[in-house]
Amino acid sequence: DSGVTQTPKHLITATGQRVTLRCSPRSGDLSVYWYQQSLDQGLQFLIQYYNGEERAKGNILERFSAQQFPDLHSELNLSSLELGDSALYFCASSPRWPGELFFGEGSRLTVL
Amino acid sequence: AQKVTQAQTEISVVEKEDVTLDCVYETRDTTYYLFWYKQPPSGELVFLIRRNSFDEQNEISGRYSWNFQKSTSSFNFTITASQVVDSAVYFCALSEETAGNQFYFGTGTSLTVIP
Repeated sequence: DSGVTQTPKHLITATGQRVTLRCSPRSGDLSVYWYQQSLDQGLQFLIQYYNGEERAKGNILERFSAQQFPDLHSELNLSSLELGDSALYFCASSPRWPGELFFGEGSRLTVL
Repeated sequence: AQKVTQAQTEISVVEKEDVTLDCVYETRDTTYYLFWYKQPPSGELVFLIRRNSFDEQNEISGRYSWNFQKSTSSFNFTITASQVVDSAVYFCALSEETAGNQFYFGTGTSLTVIP
């Protein structure tokens, strides 16, 4: 158990819909990262937050947004969903650099 | 340009064989960290090792060993006497001091250990 909690674990929805994925980092970790892993693909970095502020942005679509709340949990919002958005979405947290990333179990999104 | 290259997409070995997974990285920083993660078929990502740029000592942990060579910008991972449970996708990653907490992942190497 990494200490990072992601909900929901599985989600099935239709094209055009909007979903929210939630992440609770390990106790004490200020950084939260979101990654997307499509079938047979590597880890695509989406976005990073540090103590409530956006720190870095990767290949995140405009239809996607995220935030980190004062209690340090984070949410990734995916809207106008397309079939290609079906993927495993990982949240990870990290203590101050150069701590390693601790990953949650992922949220598997299926868009039909 | 890719900061972390894992040229081996898929590897298959027979149980008990040794296998080395290659990782080549690119950075201009003098202070950086390298990582290996394992993703078994169940999907979770498991941290294996972290190594800083100032420590070129090889590391051994049971059947796992890591060879860090700054001269060739490589951080290779060897599994000795492989087992079926080693079947997974393995990711190498780099984190640079100047990039703060950003992590750059390779595309992963899928290892299949055949019984």
